[in-house]
Amino acid sequence: AQKVTQAQTEISVVEKEDVTLDCVYETRDTTYYLFWYKQPPSGELVFLIRRNSFDEQNEISGRYSWNFQKSTSSFNFTITASQVVDSAVYFCALKAAGNKLTFGGGTRVLVKP
Amino acid sequence: EPEVTQTPSHQVTQMGQEVILRCVPISNHLYFYWYRQILGQKVEFLVSFYNNEISEKSEIFDDQFSVERPDGSNFTLKIRSTKLEDSAMYFCASSDTFYNSPLHFGNGTRLTVT
Repeated sequence: AQKVTQAQTEISVVEKEDVTLDCVYETRDTTYYLFWYKQPPSGELVFLIRRNSFDEQNEISGRYSWNFQKSTSSFNFTITASQVVDSAVYFCALKAAGNKLTFGGGTRVLVKP
Repeated sequence: EPEVTQTPSHQVTQMGQEVILRCVPISNHLYFYWYRQILGQKVEFLVSFYNNEISEKSEIFDDQFSVERPDGSNFTLKIRSTKLEDSAMYFCASSDTFYNSPLHFGNGTRLTVT
C-alpha cells in the first residue's frame, strides 16, 4: 500500500520569506513517481512537478525548487521569496503500482503581504 | 493547452436523488479517473477507467457509484440515492498511456446534498 504524509497542515509566512513544505512517502515498489499539485482558493488542482524514483537530482523552476531524498523517503518543496499569489493548499502525491495517484493531506500556505 | 472540463461546476440535489457528473477528458488521453475531496480534507481516489472498463476502485466506490464513457468524449460519474455525506468536490482527471504521466484535473464539480 502507498502512503503520503504531509505533517504540516498550515504554514503562515510574510511575503518574501522562503517556505519549505515537507512530504514523506511510503511504498514497497522500486519504481514510483512523485508529484506536487497546487490547489489555489478557486479550487482547481494544478500540476507542478513530477519526479521518478531513479532521478534524485534536485530541480529548480523559477521560485520553486524540489529536494528528493530517497534515503529518507522525502520529496520536499521550497518556495523562495514567497508572494501572496502563492497562497494555496499544496499536495504531494505518489503513483506506484497501477495508475492510481495517492495524495497527502495537503499543506495550506498563507502568504501575508 | 488542452484541459479537462467538468460540468456542472455546482450541483445541488436532495438526499435520495440520483446525480450524474460529467467530464470531458483531454482528447488523446486514455486513462480516466474520479477523485473526491470533502471540504477541507484530502483528495481521495474513487475509480480509474481504461479501455472501457474499471481498472481500479477504492472502498469508497461501492454499488452507489458507477462510471461510464457513453461516447468518444464524455466520462460520467453517477451517484445513486445520494446521501448527505456525498457532499464534496468531485474531480475528474485524465492521463495518457505512460506510467509516469501526471494526472490532469478538471476544475471540479461541487456536489451539495441537502
